[in-house]
Amino acid sequence: GQNIDQPTEMTATEGAIVQINCTYQTSGFNGLFWYQQHAGEAPTFLSYNVLDGLEEKGRFSSFLGRSKGYSYLLLKELQMKDSASYLCAALDSSYKLIFGSGTRLLVRP
Amino acid sequence: IAGITQAPTSQILAAGRRMTLRCTQDMRHNAMYWYRQDLGLGLRLIHYSNTAGTTGKGEVPDGYSVSRANTDDFPLTLASAVPSQTSVYFCASSKGDGGNEQFFGPGTRLTVL
Repeated sequence: GQNIDQPTEMTATEGAIVQINCTYQTSGFNGLFWYQQHAGEAPTFLSYNVLDGLEEKGRFSSFLGRSKGYSYLLLKELQMKDSASYLCAALDSSYKLIFGSGTRLLVRP
Repeated sequence: IAGITQAPTSQILAAGRRMTLRCTQDMRHNAMYWYRQDLGLGLRLIHYSNTAGTTGKGEVPDGYSVSRANTDDFPLTLASAVPSQTSVYFCASSKGDGGNEQFFGPGTRLTVL
């Protein structure tokens, strides 16, 4: 079967660093996406990894370890506006996105 | 229009009624998708279209149908709504069906009573 696992909720302090982990099992694999979704809004694209390693984009970085079926999203210098759900999604062999249930991140002052 | 739009924003529907959710994009994207998002379950793919004139079934297609007569529009129809179809529906589009990011519409909140 296809399965994406990520924590349901995380809490962090403004200015800190937080790492959101994701493990995946899919029928074939063509890359890993991270999306951000604020409450009541549409998901917006954050990152796409298809090769192993770390991709850095400003305060956000995403890591992929294909052999372990593992990814993480790293958020640095947390801001209050980073409070949102973070969705991990794997692209399967037929190029369809399989989404995890999302990690709700609460940033506290 | 800029990007991808959906209509209506929200709808309350009696069970057994027919309903079409509309989705339009102006980015000339080839691929379009319909997802539903339910608490604790994440986004699940209902139907997709890789290019105008073609459609395919996703993970949860039962009770839904789609058409793709042109590049821009991808309507989702519930032939006879049931309460289990109460959900938030997101339409998305991408340049192709490969590793291209999907752009999401603002969503339609549907309640079936």
